[in-house]
Amino acid sequence: KAGVTQTPRYLIKTRGQQVTLSCSPISGHRSVSWYQQTPGQGLQFLFEYFSETQRNKGNFPGRFSGRQFSNSRSEMNVSTLELGDSALYLCASTPDAGELFFGEGSRLTVL
Amino acid sequence: AQSVTQLGSHVSVSEGALVLLRCNYSSSVPPYLFWYVQYPNQGLQLLLKYTSAATLVKGINGFEAEFKKSETSFHLTKPSAHMSDAAEYFCAVSEQGGTSYGKLTFGQGTILTVHP
Repeated sequence: KAGVTQTPRYLIKTRGQQVTLSCSPISGHRSVSWYQQTPGQGLQFLFEYFSETQRNKGNFPGRFSGRQFSNSRSEMNVSTLELGDSALYLCASTPDAGELFFGEGSRLTVL
Repeated sequence: AQSVTQLGSHVSVSEGALVLLRCNYSSSVPPYLFWYVQYPNQGLQLLLKYTSAATLVKGINGFEAEFKKSETSFHLTKPSAHMSDAAEYFCAVSEQGGTSYGKLTFGQGTILTVHP
């Protein structure tokens, strides 16, 4: 079974730009969650989607948004990028109730 | 609200020695508890999880953890460290019976170094 796939793996943006990250969950998993990982703040929950609906949201500004498609694939978007948005963004999928399976992440650098 | 505290941001052991990584949690409802491992430039891999069955949980690669409600702890142990165990380890908590299975609260992580 293929694992969680995140694209792109690495990207560089400049302040003020926007970015879209993509996540394909494990086949059959309907829940997709996103996390931000930074050296200073650690792993922080961004949001979770289940059957195309946002089920939970972390404490991030409105510049961070996401969506989920009918095939469970998910995207997250960050608008008006700031230097502090540089991070590893991790996507995880889960069956209806169970452990999270993480992708390898998308490493975003904002210059 | 839930929180996780991992005692010790860095732990160093010799190959063959006992590994002990400490985790204490705070939760107003019965928790699910997890240990994840992260190797450089990779995502997180689940080592083991506690979901209210047996309090002693065995995971992959020889790791185990014991849920102690009275101490609100979920420490991770391995009897004999191997060089390949060098990585960063994260303890995490979520709510039992909650509807948001994808929301975990993570500790700050413990970097494990294994010396030959």
